[in-house]
Amino acid sequence: EVQLVESGGGLVKPGSSLKLSCVASGFTFSSYGMHWIRQAPKKGLEWIALIYYDSSNKYYADSVKGRFTISRDNSKNTLYLEMNSLRSEDTAMYYCAKGHYGYHYWGQGVMVTVSS
Amino acid sequence: DVVMTQTPVSLSVSLGGQVSISCRSSQSLVHNNGNTYLSWYLQKPGQSPQLLIYKVSNRFSGISDRFSGSGSGTDFTLKISRVEPDDLGVYYCGQGTQYPNTFGAGTKLELK
Repeated sequence: EVQLVESGGGLVKPGSSLKLSCVASGFTFSSYGMHWIRQAPKKGLEWIALIYYDSSNKYYADSVKGRFTISRDNSKNTLYLEMNSLRSEDTAMYYCAKGHYGYHYWGQGVMVTVSS
Repeated sequence: DVVMTQTPVSLSVSLGGQVSISCRSSQSLVHNNGNTYLSWYLQKPGQSPQLLIYKVSNRFSGISDRFSGSGSGTDFTLKISRVEPDDLGVYYCGQGTQYPNTFGAGTKLELK
C-alpha cells in the first residue's frame, strides 16, 4: 500500500524558515517524480514544485521560486521542502504527491501557518 | 502559464442522477511525447484529494466505471453517472503537460 506521510509543519512568523518532510512507503521511491502541492484555507489547489526521480530536474511555481527548495533522499525514501522567507500567503495545507505528469497518490497533508 | 477553466462552480444532483463537469485549458495539453496529461481529482470533505482519471480518460486503480473522462486538446469533460453519497465533494481538473502544473478552481458537487 502506498503511503505518504508529511511532517514538519507549524506556526511560524513572517520571514522565518521551515522544512517539511514526506516519508514514502509501499513503492520504489527512487523510481518516481514527486511533487509538493498546497491548499490555502478554503481555497483551491496550487502546485508548487516537482523533483525528478533522480533529482536531475526541479521545477517551481513562480510564487515560491527562489524561496522554496525541493529535494529528496532516495536512501531514506524521503522528500523535502525547504521554505525560506515565509509570507502570510504561504499559509496552507501542504501535500506531497507521487507521480510525474499527475498526482497518483497524496499524503494527508501538513499545515503551515505564517502569522505574527 | 496554462489557465484551467472549470465549469460549473457548483452542481446540485439527486442520488442516482448524472452530472458533467467541463474543463477547458488556455493552451493545448498535448505533450511533445504525444500524451495529454489531463487528470481529474476528487477532494471529499476533510480529506486529501484523490486521483480519479489520468491522461484524459484512464480510470485510476479502484475507481468505479461510473466515472468517465473524455476530451482532447483544450476541452475536457468528466461525467459521473448514478451519483452516490460518497461522490460528493469538490472536483478538480489538473494539467501535468506544462510547468507550472495548474489546476482548475474546482466544482463542488452537492445533493439536491
